[in-house]
Amino acid sequence: GENVEQHPSTLSVQEGDSAVIKCTYSDSASNYFPWYKQELGKRPQLIIDIRSNVGEKKDQRIAVTLNKTAKHFSLHITETQPEDSAVYFCAATPTDSNYQLIWGAGTKLIIKP
Amino acid sequence: DVKVTQSSRYLVKRTGEKVFLECVQDMDHENMFWYRQDPGLGLRLIYFSYDVKMKEKGDIPEGYSVSREKKERFSLILESASTNQTSMYLCASSSGTGSYEQYFGPGTRLTVT
Repeated sequence: GENVEQHPSTLSVQEGDSAVIKCTYSDSASNYFPWYKQELGKRPQLIIDIRSNVGEKKDQRIAVTLNKTAKHFSLHITETQPEDSAVYFCAATPTDSNYQLIWGAGTKLIIKP
Repeated sequence: DVKVTQSSRYLVKRTGEKVFLECVQDMDHENMFWYRQDPGLGLRLIYFSYDVKMKEKGDIPEGYSVSREKKERFSLILESASTNQTSMYLCASSSGTGSYEQYFGPGTRLTVT
């Protein structure tokens, strides 16, 4: 079945710098790759997603890139701000998923002032 | 706005008790999910349901059961609570009509003593 690995588990960056979180997946037929943000004490929420027919998608300071050949996708956050501090989860959809998502283990992003 | 609610934010139960966690969504979503969230382990799927009275096991179903008698309500049941079931439990729903986005409830922090 599908397996999603996420790295790093913790990432600490200076405010204003960029942050990159990477995920790899195993099922080449997966076709949807979302990123969720979970702030401390709050529920996970979708921040950006990409489908397999697109290589890159941007939304203001965040972007996601997908490399289908290598089976990996990445979240890029530019000009990081204190409110970006959170746990970020990637996910992928396996074939015959019944709309399940297979989740990465999460990355704790710390923005240093 | 999609609203997913869970019956309790905090719950303390004794070992051996039968525990019911309830989740309600108000957007007529087809799919509902129960996850367990532990530090460093990400979101682990316990059970999901893709229709009323339909359910499928996730990655960690042992010690749990579920019930979905109405479309908007999905219950997680711990038949005989144990201390290793102390965790954060998150419910989620998705529309199932071409959209994979999952909307999460606020979570229930369950402590079993």
